[in-house]
Amino acid sequence: EAGVAQSPRYKIIEKRQSVAFWCNPISGHATLYWYQQILGQGPKLLIQFQNNGVVDDSQLPKDRFSAERLKGVDSTLKIQPAKLEDSAVYLCASSRTIDEAFFGQGTRLTVV
Amino acid sequence: GNSVTQMEGPVTLSEEAFLTINCTYTATGYPSLFWYVQYPGEGLQLLLKATKADDKGSNKGFEATYRKETTSFHLEKGSVQVSDSAVYFCASGKSTFGDGTTLTVKP
Repeated sequence: EAGVAQSPRYKIIEKRQSVAFWCNPISGHATLYWYQQILGQGPKLLIQFQNNGVVDDSQLPKDRFSAERLKGVDSTLKIQPAKLEDSAVYLCASSRTIDEAFFGQGTRLTVV
Repeated sequence: GNSVTQMEGPVTLSEEAFLTINCTYTATGYPSLFWYVQYPGEGLQLLLKATKADDKGSNKGFEATYRKETTSFHLEKGSVQVSDSAVYFCASGKSTFGDGTTLTVKP
């Protein structure tokens, strides 16, 4: 079974630029999550999708972050404009049940 | 709101030593509890889970028991190996993670 795929693995941008991350979940997993993991901290949930609907986006900074999951499969997370404090690893995870989430390798974003 | 507090690291042990990593949580209701592990250069992966009070999760020699009375989910292993060196994260549900504990096991 293929795992959660994310791209790119690394990205360096200047502040005020925009950036987008892509996630392809495990086939058949209806639930998809995006997390932000700042160095030295645990993952922070940004948004949760069930199929193509948003279940929880309470911690998503909606003035600059957006996410979509078209057709209930792939998802993209966008930051526009980026700030220095957005430097982090962005993790995508998917699950079939409420019990277990499978994580991708993440995208390491550096904002300079 | 919900929160998870993990024992601060880093933790350094000799091979075959006993491991405990403390985790306590605050939550509304009774969420499932998880331990995730992140080996060097790899992504997060589920180590074990417990879905209700008094459940014991176990995997690869690691164990943790869901204690409602103490709101804890401490991770234990009787004899650690060098290959257990990693960062360990305790989580409550899918949305609340601890800050991770780095374990280094020396031969």
